[in-house]
Amino acid sequence: GAVVSQHPSRVICKSGTSVKIECRSLDFQATTMFWYRQFPKQSLMLMATSNEGSKATYEQGVEKDKFLINHASLTLSTLTVTSAHPEDSSFYICSALKGVFYNEQFFGPGTRLTVL
Amino acid sequence: QKEVEQNSGPLSVPEGAIASLNCTYSDRGSQSFFWYRQYSGKSPELIMSIYSNGDKEDGRFTAQLNKASQYVSLLIRDSQPSDSATYLCAVKGQNFVFGPGTRLSVLP
Repeated sequence: GAVVSQHPSRVICKSGTSVKIECRSLDFQATTMFWYRQFPKQSLMLMATSNEGSKATYEQGVEKDKFLINHASLTLSTLTVTSAHPEDSSFYICSALKGVFYNEQFFGPGTRLTVL
Repeated sequence: QKEVEQNSGPLSVPEGAIASLNCTYSDRGSQSFFWYRQYSGKSPELIMSIYSNGDKEDGRFTAQLNKASQYVSLLIRDSQPSDSATYLCAVKGQNFVFGPGTRLSVLP
């Protein structure tokens, strides 16, 4: 297996503030990380693919100016939710890709964001 | 549109029985296949990867792949209440595509 951490695990913030979520691969290097959002009892929704040293690729319908992604090193990607609103409240999960030929995707424990 | 389909369930099995979870995919170019388990309120956890046709066994879990039929399954033997979770099938061709998941309930 492989270990991916996320911080914070839970955050409550006021509407209009920005929140940064960190995703780290602890025991392997990951050139590619993914950011997902999941609402209660719904499927994972891929938001963006984060590649080390380059701009993230966002899925259709995801606002890149609202969800800022930075993949500054081979072990760290960050997601910043800017000017958060109550509708941004969700479970945000990152994952990291391990392997060269046969890639496996390992998930972090997730961050539960509540915007008041 | 590359798709991965799963029966949403819930699939209910008695404790000790075999649970059979199925997944079909549309992209014939897919090369890697995965099963994840997701407990309620938690993130997905990788439990099996399979890359070639046939069966792959790991403890109580067996993954089966049939690329000609574009079908992958997961068998859980001696099901336990702790196996109750949503099981996600994921397929990788050019990109990873996740299925919607099947909710499994193992009844004591």
